[in-house]
Amino acid sequence: EEQLVESGGGLVQPGGSLRLSCAASGFTLSEHSTDWVRQAPGEGLEWIGRVGNKASRYRTQYAAPVEGRFIISTDDSKNSVYLQMNSLKTEDTAVYYCCRSPHGSIGDLWGQGTLVTVSS
Amino acid sequence: AIRMTQSPSSFSASTGDRVTLTCRASQGVRSSLAWYQQKPGEAPKLLIYATSTLQSGVPSRFSGSGSGTDFTLTISYLQSEDSATYYCQQYYGYPFTFGPGTKVDMK
Repeated sequence: EEQLVESGGGLVQPGGSLRLSCAASGFTLSEHSTDWVRQAPGEGLEWIGRVGNKASRYRTQYAAPVEGRFIISTDDSKNSVYLQMNSLKTEDTAVYYCCRSPHGSIGDLWGQGTLVTVSS
Repeated sequence: AIRMTQSPSSFSASTGDRVTLTCRASQGVRSSLAWYQQKPGEAPKLLIYATSTLQSGVPSRFSGSGSGTDFTLTISYLQSEDSATYYCQQYYGYPFTFGPGTKVDMK
C-alpha cells in the first residue's frame, strides 16, 4: 500500500526550530515531486513549498511567508522528505501535510498531517 | 501570486441535487487546476486534476470543466458522503495557490 507518514510536529516557542519528516512507503518518493501544505486551525489550505523529483535535481520552490526560514530536503536512502522550519512565528501554527505530486498532476497522495504549535 | 476565489463560500443541498461550485483565478492558469475534497479531521483528497481529469477511484458523479480563469466542479447527484469543504488549486505558476474553499452541507 502506498502511504505517506508525517512526523516531528509539536509545541515550540517563537523563534525556535523544528524538523518535520515525510516518510514514503510502497513507492519511491524521489520519482515524484513532493509538496508541503499547511492548514491553520479553522482555516483553509496554504501551499508552502515543493521539492522536485530526482530528475529535476530536487529543485525547491517556496511560498513567500516561509522563504528564507524553511528548507525542504530529501534523503533517498530513507525514502523521505524533510521540512526544516527555523525562526518560527505564532502564525506558523498549523497542521502540516506532505503530498506526492506526479508529473502532470498534483497532490494525489497525502499524509495524515502533523500539528505544529508555536506558542510561548 | 495568482489569487484564487471560490463561490459560494457555503451552501446546503439535498441528496440527489446537481451541485455546481465555481473557482476563478486572477490570471490565466491554462488547465493547471485541481479540486480537492476535505472532511473535518482528514487530509485533503484529490478529486480532479488538469481541470477535468478524474483521479483514480473518485466516483464519476464528480466532474470538472473550464479553462483560463474560470472553472467549475459539478457533483451530478449529491450523496450524503459528499458533505465536505471543496478547494480549488492552481499549479500553473509558483507559488501554487488554493481558493478559500466552498463548504457543502446536506439539508
